[in-house]
Amino acid sequence: DQQVKQNSPSLSVQEGRISILNCDYTNSMFDYFLWYKKYPAEGPTFLISISSIKDKNEDGRFTVFLNKSAKHLSLHIVPSQPGDSAVYFCAATPRGGKLIFGQGTELSVKP
Amino acid sequence: DVKVTQSSRYLVKRTGEKVFLECVQDMDHENMFWYRQDPGLGLRLIYFSYDVKMKEKGDIPEGYSVSREKKERFSLILESASTNQTSMYLCASSLGFGDPGYGYTFGSGTRLTVV
Repeated sequence: DQQVKQNSPSLSVQEGRISILNCDYTNSMFDYFLWYKKYPAEGPTFLISISSIKDKNEDGRFTVFLNKSAKHLSLHIVPSQPGDSAVYFCAATPRGGKLIFGQGTELSVKP
Repeated sequence: DVKVTQSSRYLVKRTGEKVFLECVQDMDHENMFWYRQDPGLGLRLIYFSYDVKMKEKGDIPEGYSVSREKKERFSLILESASTNQTSMYLCASSLGFGDPGYGYTFGSGTRLTVV
C-alpha cells in the first residue's frame, strides 16, 4: 500500500522553463511534507518542506504547494537549470512517525 | 559539517556470502535507518533503530539484520547475499521523529552488486 505516490517516473523540461513535480498521498494523518533531491552516486539531500498548516512555502527558485483537500503536493522550480537534473523524492510524516517516501521522479533539464 | 558516512561506495560480493554494510554518524542522532533504492520503487525502509541496541523492522526486512552497539554506528547485515539484493543501500540518521526540523541526513550510499 503506497501511501505516498509520485506517478511520473520522469520529467524533461527546457532550461529556463518551469518544472513541476507532483506527489499524492493517502494518509490524512500526515502533517509534514518534505522534498529531497538525489544525484547519482550520492545520498538524498533535503530541499524544502511544508507543514500541513500552510499551503505554500518558498525558498529561492523552489516552491512547494500543498492542497490538503486533494491530498496533493507539488514542487515548482523556476527557472529550471541543468544542475537541477536529479531524482526528486517527496516524503511525508505524521507527527511522531517516520518519513515515508514516494517512488521518485527523475528530472532532466535540457540546455 | 555534519555527516553520515558509509564505509564503502561500491561492493561486489558472491551469492551466499555474509555482507556487512557499515554506517557512522557524527551528529549524536537518536535514530538511524537503512534504506534500499531501486528504480521505480523509490526508497524502501529495511530496518531502523531509535536507540542503542534497539531495532525495528521496516517494510522489507527479509534477508537482512542490523546491529547497533554504539549510538553513532548502525550496521546492516545480509546474512546470505542473493542477486535480488543487488541495489543502492542508503543509511540515514535523524534527531527525532516527526518534528518539522528533524529531516533525515543521508550517507552517500553503497552500491552493492551480488554476483
